[in-house]
Amino acid sequence: DAGVIQSPRHEVTEMGQEVTLRCKPISGHDYLFWYRQTMMRGLELLIYFNNNVPIDDSGMPEDRFSAKMPNASFSTLKIQPSEPRDSAVYFCASSSRRTGELNEQFFGPGTRLTVL
Amino acid sequence: AQTVTQSQPEMSVQEAETVTLSCTYDTSESDYYLFWYKQPPSRQMILVIRQEAYKQQNATENRFSVNFQKAAKSFSLKISDSQLGDAAMYFCAYTRGGSQGNLIFGKGTKLSVKP
Repeated sequence: DAGVIQSPRHEVTEMGQEVTLRCKPISGHDYLFWYRQTMMRGLELLIYFNNNVPIDDSGMPEDRFSAKMPNASFSTLKIQPSEPRDSAVYFCASSSRRTGELNEQFFGPGTRLTVL
Repeated sequence: AQTVTQSQPEMSVQEAETVTLSCTYDTSESDYYLFWYKQPPSRQMILVIRQEAYKQQNATENRFSVNFQKAAKSFSLKISDSQLGDAAMYFCAYTRGGSQGNLIFGKGTKLSVKP
């Protein structure tokens, strides 16, 4: 398996622009997580899905952020409009409840977002 | 709410020596899992080791082992025979058992390995 795939790896945009981050989870995984990593706040959960349904979005900072999972193999995280304080590394992770996987989450390589 | 605390922002170890990274957590749950993740400069989050709370035996993975003290809510990582490739950020993480939930991370410890 190719692991969790994220695109783009790097994104530089200007304040006010729309940004879309993409994630393809590991095939067969039924949970998908979006995390954000900053120096100030560390790694924090934004939202997670189970079987394509959002379960907990309490970490989504504000209405400018939205996430979708239209099918089991694709998710997007959108920021509109973007602000400099959104600059961070955004990770997607997936997992499965199959026996023996011990709640382990597999992370993608992350997208480094810079908003100027 | 569950919290994870790593009290050592930075640590340093000589190559081939042993180093221990500290982690404490707070939870009222009895069923949970604990993890150590490694994040090298490439940013990739790599699982190092995991521990189920119901298991008394400490987990080991080659040169990596944990000291899991459930009553004290402590979960330290020991790296033996440190190698230059071990230099990275190390994150302690918690997730509840039962239904899948998100990982709660500590702030991380930056480990340097001196040749």
